[in-house]
Amino acid sequence: RKEVEQDPGPFNVPEGATVAFNCTYSNSASQSFFWYRQDCRKEPKLLMSVYSSGNEDGRFTAQLNRASQYISLLIRDSKLSDSATYLCVVDTPGSGGYQKVTFGIGTKLQVIP
Amino acid sequence: NAGVTQTPKFRVLKTGQSMTLLCAQDMNHEYMYWYRQDPGMGLRLIHYSVGEGTTAKGEVPDGYNVSRLKKQNFLLGLESAAPSQTSVYFCASSYTDRGAWGTGELFFGEGSRLTVL
Repeated sequence: RKEVEQDPGPFNVPEGATVAFNCTYSNSASQSFFWYRQDCRKEPKLLMSVYSSGNEDGRFTAQLNRASQYISLLIRDSKLSDSATYLCVVDTPGSGGYQKVTFGIGTKLQVIP
Repeated sequence: NAGVTQTPKFRVLKTGQSMTLLCAQDMNHEYMYWYRQDPGMGLRLIHYSVGEGTTAKGEVPDGYNVSRLKKQNFLLGLESAAPSQTSVYFCASSYTDRGAWGTGELFFGEGSRLTVL
Protein backbone atom coordinates (compact mmCIF):
# COMPACT_ATOMS: atom_id res chain seq x y z
CA ARG A 1 0.00 0.00 0.00
CA LYS A 2 1.30 3.47 -0.87
CA GLU A 3 2.01 5.81 2.02
CA VAL A 4 -0.25 8.47 0.55
CA GLU A 5 -2.90 7.62 -2.02
CA GLN A 6 -4.92 9.91 -4.21
CA ASP A 7 -7.22 9.37 -7.17
CA PRO A 8 -5.32 11.02 -10.03
CA GLY A 9 -8.54 11.93 -11.85
CA PRO A 10 -9.09 13.95 -13.88
CA PHE A 11 -12.23 15.30 -12.27
CA ASN A 12 -14.12 17.28 -14.91
CA VAL A 13 -16.76 19.49 -13.30
CA PRO A 14 -18.89 22.39 -14.56
CA GLU A 15 -18.44 25.89 -13.21
CA GLY A 16 -20.36 26.38 -9.99
CA ALA A 17 -20.28 22.72 -9.01
CA THR A 18 -19.06 21.34 -5.71
CA VAL A 19 -16.26 18.81 -5.88
CA ALA A 20 -14.51 16.76 -3.20
CA PHE A 21 -11.20 14.94 -3.18
CA ASN A 22 -10.04 12.35 -0.69
CA CYS A 23 -6.55 11.29 0.25
CA THR A 24 -5.70 8.26 2.39
CA TYR A 25 -2.51 7.74 4.36
CA SER A 26 -1.09 4.51 5.71
CA ASN A 27 0.91 5.52 8.78
CA SER A 28 -1.20 6.17 11.85
CA ALA A 29 1.72 8.10 13.38
CA SER A 30 1.39 10.86 10.76
CA GLN A 31 1.02 14.21 12.46
CA SER A 32 0.48 17.02 9.98
CA PHE A 33 -1.52 17.23 6.80
CA PHE A 34 -1.70 19.73 3.98
CA TRP A 35 -3.17 20.43 0.59
CA TYR A 36 -0.95 22.01 -2.04
CA ARG A 37 -2.04 23.29 -5.40
CA GLN A 38 0.07 22.84 -8.52
CA ASP A 39 -0.80 24.56 -11.77
CA CYS A 40 0.30 22.99 -15.04
CA ARG A 41 4.10 23.21 -15.42
CA LYS A 42 4.39 25.30 -12.26
CA GLU A 43 5.64 24.75 -8.75
CA PRO A 44 3.41 23.50 -5.89
CA LYS A 45 2.05 26.13 -3.52
CA LEU A 46 0.45 25.67 -0.13
CA LEU A 47 -3.33 25.83 -0.34
CA MET A 48 -4.19 25.05 3.24
CA SER A 49 -3.25 23.05 6.29
CA VAL A 50 -5.64 20.41 7.57
CA TYR A 51 -6.54 20.45 11.24
CA SER A 52 -8.31 17.84 13.33
CA SER A 53 -11.24 20.17 13.84
CA GLY A 54 -11.50 20.87 10.14
CA ASN A 55 -10.86 24.25 8.62
CA GLU A 56 -12.35 26.48 5.99
CA ASP A 57 -10.89 29.15 3.76
CA GLY A 58 -13.48 30.79 1.58
CA ARG A 59 -14.82 28.18 -0.84
CA PHE A 60 -12.34 25.56 0.37
CA THR A 61 -12.92 23.20 3.30
CA ALA A 62 -10.43 20.63 4.55
CA GLN A 63 -11.24 17.78 6.89
CA LEU A 64 -9.16 15.18 8.70
CA ASN A 65 -10.45 11.77 9.80
CA ARG A 66 -7.75 10.15 11.93
CA ALA A 67 -9.78 7.02 12.66
CA SER A 68 -10.12 6.19 8.97
CA GLN A 69 -6.81 7.82 8.06
CA TYR A 70 -7.95 10.13 5.33
CA ILE A 71 -8.13 13.82 4.59
CA SER A 72 -10.50 15.55 2.26
CA LEU A 73 -10.74 18.78 0.32
CA LEU A 74 -14.09 20.26 -0.65
CA ILE A 75 -14.34 23.04 -3.21
CA ARG A 76 -17.66 24.85 -3.48
CA ASP A 77 -18.83 27.01 -6.39
CA SER A 78 -15.96 25.88 -8.63
CA LYS A 79 -14.27 28.55 -10.77
CA LEU A 80 -12.34 28.09 -13.99
CA SER A 81 -9.29 29.30 -12.07
CA ASP A 82 -9.56 26.30 -9.72
CA SER A 83 -8.35 24.03 -12.54
CA ALA A 84 -5.11 22.56 -11.24
CA THR A 85 -3.64 19.48 -9.59
CA TYR A 86 -4.20 19.19 -5.85
CA LEU A 87 -1.46 17.48 -3.91
CA CYS A 88 -2.04 15.76 -0.59
CA VAL A 89 0.96 16.08 1.73
CA VAL A 90 1.50 14.11 4.92
CA ASP A 91 4.20 14.60 7.58
CA THR A 92 5.27 11.59 9.63
CA PRO A 93 7.93 11.41 12.36
CA GLY A 94 11.09 10.00 10.87
CA SER A 95 14.48 8.97 12.13
CA GLY A 96 16.79 11.56 13.60
CA GLY A 97 13.98 13.67 14.94
CA TYR A 98 12.95 15.04 11.56
CA GLN A 99 9.62 14.78 9.86
CA LYS A 100 9.26 12.69 6.73
CA VAL A 101 7.24 14.54 4.14
CA THR A 102 5.30 12.39 1.69
CA PHE A 103 3.49 13.76 -1.34
CA GLY A 104 0.58 12.11 -3.08
CA ILE A 105 0.59 11.96 -6.88
CA GLY A 106 -2.09 14.62 -6.99
CA THR A 107 -5.68 14.84 -8.19
CA LYS A 108 -6.25 16.77 -11.38
CA LEU A 109 -9.28 19.07 -11.48
CA GLN A 110 -10.59 20.57 -14.69
CA VAL A 111 -13.44 23.08 -14.33
CA ILE A 112 -15.44 23.36 -17.53
CA PRO A 113 -17.32 26.51 -18.64
CA ASN B 1 10.49 39.46 -3.71
CA ALA B 2 12.39 36.61 -5.37
CA GLY B 3 11.69 33.77 -2.87
CA VAL B 4 13.31 30.61 -4.24
CA THR B 5 15.16 30.83 -7.53
CA GLN B 6 16.43 27.88 -9.56
CA THR B 7 18.89 27.92 -12.44
CA PRO B 8 18.89 26.74 -15.12
CA LYS B 9 15.19 26.37 -15.96
CA PHE B 10 15.85 23.91 -18.81
CA ARG B 11 18.79 21.71 -19.72
CA VAL B 12 19.48 18.87 -22.13
CA LEU B 13 22.37 16.55 -21.34
CA LYS B 14 23.93 13.56 -22.98
CA THR B 15 24.41 10.37 -20.96
CA GLY B 16 27.56 10.63 -18.88
CA GLN B 17 27.73 14.42 -18.77
CA SER B 18 27.75 16.28 -15.50
CA MET B 19 25.91 19.37 -14.40
CA THR B 20 24.93 21.42 -11.35
CA LEU B 21 21.55 22.89 -10.50
CA LEU B 22 21.64 25.99 -8.34
CA CYS B 23 18.98 26.95 -5.83
CA ALA B 24 19.00 30.30 -4.07
CA GLN B 25 16.58 31.59 -1.44
CA ASP B 26 16.37 35.07 0.05
CA MET B 27 14.06 34.27 3.00
CA ASN B 28 16.82 33.31 5.43
CA HIS B 29 15.38 29.81 5.71
CA GLU B 30 17.38 27.16 7.52
CA TYR B 31 15.98 24.16 5.70
CA MET B 32 16.39 23.47 2.00
CA TYR B 33 15.35 20.49 -0.12
CA TRP B 34 15.75 19.02 -3.58
CA TYR B 35 12.85 17.02 -5.03
CA ARG B 36 12.22 15.37 -8.34
CA GLN B 37 8.79 15.01 -9.91
CA ASP B 38 7.98 12.32 -12.45
CA PRO B 39 4.68 11.49 -14.18
CA GLY B 40 2.46 9.28 -12.05
CA MET B 41 4.65 9.72 -8.98
CA GLY B 42 4.55 12.16 -6.16
CA LEU B 43 7.38 14.52 -5.43
CA ARG B 44 10.31 12.51 -4.10
CA LEU B 45 13.00 13.90 -1.84
CA ILE B 46 16.55 13.57 -3.17
CA HIS B 47 18.62 15.37 -0.52
CA TYR B 48 17.97 17.99 2.09
CA SER B 49 19.86 20.36 4.34
CA VAL B 50 19.00 21.56 7.84
CA GLY B 51 21.56 24.34 7.85
CA GLU B 52 24.70 25.75 6.31
CA GLY B 53 27.34 23.08 5.91
CA THR B 54 24.98 20.15 6.57
CA THR B 55 23.30 17.80 4.11
CA ALA B 56 21.45 14.50 4.36
CA LYS B 57 20.06 11.86 2.04
CA GLY B 58 16.42 11.71 1.17
CA GLU B 59 14.36 9.02 -0.47
CA VAL B 60 16.16 8.80 -3.85
CA PRO B 61 19.76 10.08 -3.39
CA ASP B 62 21.64 7.74 -5.72
CA GLY B 63 23.38 9.49 -8.60
CA TYR B 64 23.17 12.93 -6.97
CA ASN B 65 25.37 15.00 -4.69
CA VAL B 66 24.62 18.25 -2.89
CA SER B 67 26.40 21.05 -1.12
CA ARG B 68 25.30 23.89 1.15
CA LEU B 69 28.34 26.13 1.55
CA LYS B 70 26.21 29.23 2.10
CA LYS B 71 22.90 29.40 3.92
CA GLN B 72 21.10 30.88 0.95
CA ASN B 73 22.35 28.39 -1.66
CA PHE B 74 21.78 24.67 -2.15
CA LEU B 75 23.46 22.97 -5.11
CA LEU B 76 22.43 19.69 -6.70
CA GLY B 77 25.03 17.90 -8.80
CA LEU B 78 24.77 15.06 -11.28
CA GLU B 79 28.22 13.56 -11.78
CA SER B 80 27.34 11.21 -14.65
CA ALA B 81 23.86 11.81 -15.99
CA ALA B 82 21.64 8.86 -16.93
CA PRO B 83 18.35 8.83 -18.87
CA SER B 84 16.59 7.76 -15.64
CA GLN B 85 17.42 11.20 -14.27
CA THR B 86 15.23 12.90 -16.85
CA SER B 87 12.77 14.72 -14.63
CA VAL B 88 11.55 18.03 -13.28
CA TYR B 89 13.62 19.10 -10.28
CA PHE B 90 12.21 21.36 -7.60
CA CYS B 91 14.10 23.10 -4.89
CA ALA B 92 12.23 24.12 -1.75
CA SER B 93 12.97 25.88 1.50
CA SER B 94 11.27 26.22 4.85
CA TYR B 95 11.86 28.17 8.04
CA THR B 96 11.59 25.18 10.36
CA ASP B 97 11.68 21.45 10.01
CA ARG B 98 8.67 20.76 7.91
CA GLY B 99 5.83 19.88 10.21
CA ALA B 100 7.77 19.55 13.46
CA TRP B 101 5.32 20.79 16.12
CA GLY B 102 4.01 23.26 13.64
CA THR B 103 3.17 23.79 10.01
CA GLY B 104 6.31 24.83 8.24
CA GLU B 105 5.25 25.83 4.78
CA LEU B 106 7.43 24.65 1.91
CA PHE B 107 8.31 27.36 -0.63
CA PHE B 108 9.21 25.96 -4.02
CA GLY B 109 11.25 27.28 -6.88
CA GLU B 110 9.79 27.25 -10.39
CA GLY B 111 11.46 23.98 -11.30
CA SER B 112 14.25 22.86 -13.60
CA ARG B 113 13.40 20.56 -16.50
CA LEU B 114 16.25 18.20 -17.24
CA THR B 115 16.38 15.82 -20.20
CA VAL B 116 19.13 13.23 -20.46
CA LEU B 117 19.55 11.69 -23.90
